[in-house]
Amino acid sequence: AQSVSQHNHHVILSEAASLELGCNYSYGGTVNLFWYVQYPGQHLQLLLKYFSGDPLVKGIKGFEAEFIKSKFSFNLRKPSVQWSDTAEYFCASRTGGGNKLTFGTGTQLKVEL
Amino acid sequence: DTGVSQDPRHKITKRGQNVTFRCDPISEHNRLYWYRQTLGQGPEFLTYFQNEAQLEKSRLLSDRFSAERPKGSFSTLEIQRTEQGDSAMYLCASSINREGTEAFFGQGTRLTVV
Repeated sequence: AQSVSQHNHHVILSEAASLELGCNYSYGGTVNLFWYVQYPGQHLQLLLKYFSGDPLVKGIKGFEAEFIKSKFSFNLRKPSVQWSDTAEYFCASRTGGGNKLTFGTGTQLKVEL
Repeated sequence: DTGVSQDPRHKITKRGQNVTFRCDPISEHNRLYWYRQTLGQGPEFLTYFQNEAQLEKSRLLSDRFSAERPKGSFSTLEIQRTEQGDSAMYLCASSINREGTEAFFGQGTRLTVV
């Protein structure tokens, strides 16, 4: 079965600090990868997705992620975080042609002023 | 709001009672999913519909759980004889059947079984 690991459960950063959240997936075949964000009191929203092509994916709000097949990784990055980035971040995978998403346990990010 | 809509947002029920949740997907989306999320965990897949056909069910979906999507539009998730372990956030998502697309999530129904 597929699995997704997010190693950082809680991250606290000051505004303007750089962010990198780790994500590793287990499936060795064709895989689609996603980062979703959940702001307090809101629904899960897509930050970015990778299906194929350029392994460096740019998403909304200045986020990007890099697909490294050899490391089974899809880490999320942002060069300078803002207080409004405080949220929970979920990495998810889906096998190519599959339907269901497999989520990691999430990373709670708190950005302090 | 043209997003995925779920009703109710919160439900408190006594152990042993039956509950039913409703999900209205984005109108042109033919795929609909149910997930369950407990505290400190990511969402876990429960079941998936393409139009009115239920094509996949997780082993998490015990016999007490049933989901329907009778006309390929809205869906209901029923839990019979609720148990305290059923307390969770139940999320609905929908998507178009097209490569390269993602699932859009509703705000969820938080179930508390007392």
